[in-house]
Amino acid sequence: DAGVIQSPRHEVTEMGQEVTLRCKPISGHNSLFWYRQTMMRGLELLIYFNNNVPIDDSGMPEDRFSAKMPNASFSTLKIQPSEPRDSAVYFCASSIGGAWGNEQFFGPGTRLTVL
Amino acid sequence: AQSVSQHNHHVILSEAASLELGCNYSYGGTVNLFWYVQYPGQHLQLLLKYFSGDPLVKGIKGFEAEFIKSKFSFNLRKPSVQWSDTAEYFCAVNWPSSASKIIFGSGTRLSIRP
Repeated sequence: DAGVIQSPRHEVTEMGQEVTLRCKPISGHNSLFWYRQTMMRGLELLIYFNNNVPIDDSGMPEDRFSAKMPNASFSTLKIQPSEPRDSAVYFCASSIGGAWGNEQFFGPGTRLTVL
Repeated sequence: AQSVSQHNHHVILSEAASLELGCNYSYGGTVNLFWYVQYPGQHLQLLLKYFSGDPLVKGIKGFEAEFIKSKFSFNLRKPSVQWSDTAEYFCAVNWPSSASKIIFGSGTRLSIRP
């Protein structure tokens, strides 16, 4: 079982550049979550998809951030333009049946550094 | 506002010592409670969870947690830690009013001296 797959594992970019993070959830899972982890703010939910539809994007910090899930096996998180304060580890997680009462399976994360 | 507090940011213990990590959440009612662990260089994985029933929950690797509703707490315990328990531990809570979200605590880093 491959688990949740994220790419790239590390990304270093310069301020103003576009960054795209990718996630492949576990096959059969119908919910997908994007989180951001920083020292200051801990682990924060950015957006939650259920059956490929965004259900809760209240955690998306601003319009520079966008997320898509074109099909059940792929999601992207895009930052355009990127800023140094976006530096963080971004995790993708998936579950069966949504967040309520279900275990979330996390990917290895993408460590983003914006210079 | 919904929040989860983990009081200890960094705990250092010797092998074989007993462990208790605190977790409190902001208000009650029906909640789902989780402890996740992140070993160095690895992704978060579930240690244990509480949905209902026996408030003492057993998880993997000898961990357990006790849900005390009156104290809004869900502390994690292990009677005898090992060096391999070195990791970061996250408490998380799921409220029905925000069922799409799990709110995570800030995490407790556990370092075990061999």
